[in-house]
Amino acid sequence: AQKITQTQPGMFVQEKEAVTLDCTYDTSDQSYGLFWYKQPSSGEMIFLIYQGSYDEQNATEGRYSLNFQKARKSANLVISASQLGDSAMYFCAMSSLSGSARQLTFGSGTQLTVLP
Amino acid sequence: NAGVTQTPKFRVLKTGQSMTLLCAQDMNHEYMYWYRQDPGMGLRLIHYSVGEGTTAKGEVPDGYNVSRLKKQNFLLGLESAAPSQTSVYFCASSYSLGWLYNEQFFGPGTRLTVL
Repeated sequence: AQKITQTQPGMFVQEKEAVTLDCTYDTSDQSYGLFWYKQPSSGEMIFLIYQGSYDEQNATEGRYSLNFQKARKSANLVISASQLGDSAMYFCAMSSLSGSARQLTFGSGTQLTVLP
Repeated sequence: NAGVTQTPKFRVLKTGQSMTLLCAQDMNHEYMYWYRQDPGMGLRLIHYSVGEGTTAKGEVPDGYNVSRLKKQNFLLGLESAAPSQTSVYFCASSYSLGWLYNEQFFGPGTRLTVL
């Protein structure tokens, strides 16, 4: 079974600074995918970034980058130049093949607050 | 495109009542999912569907039933609501791409309270 662990229930960062949100995972699969989603206070889930287990380079999407360390089974999200609008809950998730579906297993989330 | 929509947005039920949550997507996605989100626990998969007419159980299926009669719709039913089913329910859909990349598109959620 897959498991995602996010050990930081809450994080604070000063506006314009960088912040790293931790995510570790546990799987026996050789191939898997890792995702980060953002959930603002309005409640919707917003896809941010994806990393495949065989991707050699870390994924980047604008101010978001994924620090993927396969041997340590970690997939940390790095947000550069934080903005007030980045204040939200952030979820790490892993894709797995279960039955015939492509299921996502989510972590418990990290609440990020950006301070002005 | 409306993406993924959910009806209703809010609902209050009494214990023992039944209700159906509707999810609709206009992206022609094969896969659809129902999750529940409880405080401090992230999202947990209730049921999912890999195509019209097919459904399967997820991590927490007890007390729920689903149906996918049309490709664009995925219904979640509560036959006899219990206070433990108070939660925020999210529907999601995805393409049937290579299995590693499975970006799921989420609906806005339904906040359900069972008294």
